[in-house]
Amino acid sequence: GAVVSQHPSWVICKSGTSVKIECRSLDFQATTMFWYRQFPKQSLMLMATSNEGSKATYEQGVEKDKFLINHASLTLSTLTVTSAHPEDSSFYICSARDSGVNTEAFFGQGTRLTVV
Amino acid sequence: SQKIEQNSEALNIQEGKTATLTCNYTNYSPAYLQWYRQDPGRGPVFLLLIRENEKEKRKERLKVTFDTTLKQSLFHITASQPADSATYLCALLSGGYNKLIFGAGTRLAVHP
Repeated sequence: GAVVSQHPSWVICKSGTSVKIECRSLDFQATTMFWYRQFPKQSLMLMATSNEGSKATYEQGVEKDKFLINHASLTLSTLTVTSAHPEDSSFYICSARDSGVNTEAFFGQGTRLTVV
Repeated sequence: SQKIEQNSEALNIQEGKTATLTCNYTNYSPAYLQWYRQDPGRGPVFLLLIRENEKEKRKERLKVTFDTTLKQSLFHITASQPADSATYLCALLSGGYNKLIFGAGTRLAVHP
């Protein structure tokens, strides 16, 4: 299947700093990518839909100025957690589909963010 | 409100038995339903997709059913193995079939 690579796999940062997470589709072009957040033993919560060349669409309750998403090319989307706080500590996962809407999504390996 | 519900309790079964996981949804009219496997600290991995006009789908030891009247999907693993131990997530397309929304998942533990 298609491969989505997410980097870094884990990061520890100090409160108040910003962290950038990259999501790349390695062998297909992803017009749309999705960013999820997952707390321990809970489901994936969709944060935003990232569209290549346009602004991301955020889900209700997700602060767009806090979680900056850039989708500059068909193979790369980035999520920047700005002015991180301990409550932002979570598992962040990106996904993409390579064609159509009736196909499976391919997920990155996830990024464990810990804010201290 | 829209909901996707999966058994929050972990399912413990003996190796070789069939595991059956349930996914119920409300206030959705999905054309497709998908099942994923997630291991701890990893992203989900796609397993099966079933369309609304399909009653059943099989892939090796996996079987998925989709009942749009009951608004329910069942996910079966036959001849289960300890390596099948993981969390299994069901997911529906929403938002004009663009967004994939997940249930909370059911953790399966297969014991030798």
